[in-house]
Amino acid sequence: AQSVSQHNHHVILSEAASLELGCNYSYGGTVNLFWYVQYPGQHLQLLLKYFSGDPLVKGIKGFEAEFIKSKFSFNLRKPSVQWSDTAEYFCAVMVNNAGNMLTFGGGTRLMVKP
Amino acid sequence: DTEVTQTPKHLVMGMTNKKSLKCEQHMGHRAMYWYKQKAKKPPELMFVYSYEKLSINESVPSRFSPECPNSSLLNLHLHALQPEDSALYLCASSQGTSGGYLSTDTQYFGPGTRLTVL
Repeated sequence: AQSVSQHNHHVILSEAASLELGCNYSYGGTVNLFWYVQYPGQHLQLLLKYFSGDPLVKGIKGFEAEFIKSKFSFNLRKPSVQWSDTAEYFCAVMVNNAGNMLTFGGGTRLMVKP
Repeated sequence: DTEVTQTPKHLVMGMTNKKSLKCEQHMGHRAMYWYKQKAKKPPELMFVYSYEKLSINESVPSRFSPECPNSSLLNLHLHALQPEDSALYLCASSQGTSGGYLSTDTQYFGPGTRLTVL
């Protein structure tokens, strides 16, 4: 079965710092990749997704992610974080041998200090 | 519009109660999902409905009983729950497919129902 790893469980940054959250998955076939964000007290929102094509995908709120197939990675980046980016970030993978099921990583809790 | 609505927002119930959670979407999606999310953990899949038929049950105890009355609605009936069942219950929907794998499928989540079992 596929698995998704987010190695950074907690990240603390100051405003304007750059952000990179790691996501690695274990599946050798075709994958679709997602980043979801969960702001405090709010529901999961889709930040961005990768299906095919350009491995650098841009999402909402200035986030982007790069799919590196050789590294089985889909890291999330933002050049300059804001206090309002404080949230939990989940990477998720959908593989073609599991219907349309999502497998989530453990999440990364980001705190941005004003 | 990518809205999935869930009611109630909060629910407190005793271990002998029977209650139901409701989820609704009007995006024309044909796949709907129930997830359970404990604090500081990722969502865990419970059930998947595809075209109003239960397609996946992730070994969920029978005290949780899903129902899909039509393509827009998804219910989760609760009976004789345990305190450890307290969690955020999330509903999601996606376009879905009548067979196999849809490579562009994207799940959209509702705000959840925060359930407390006393």
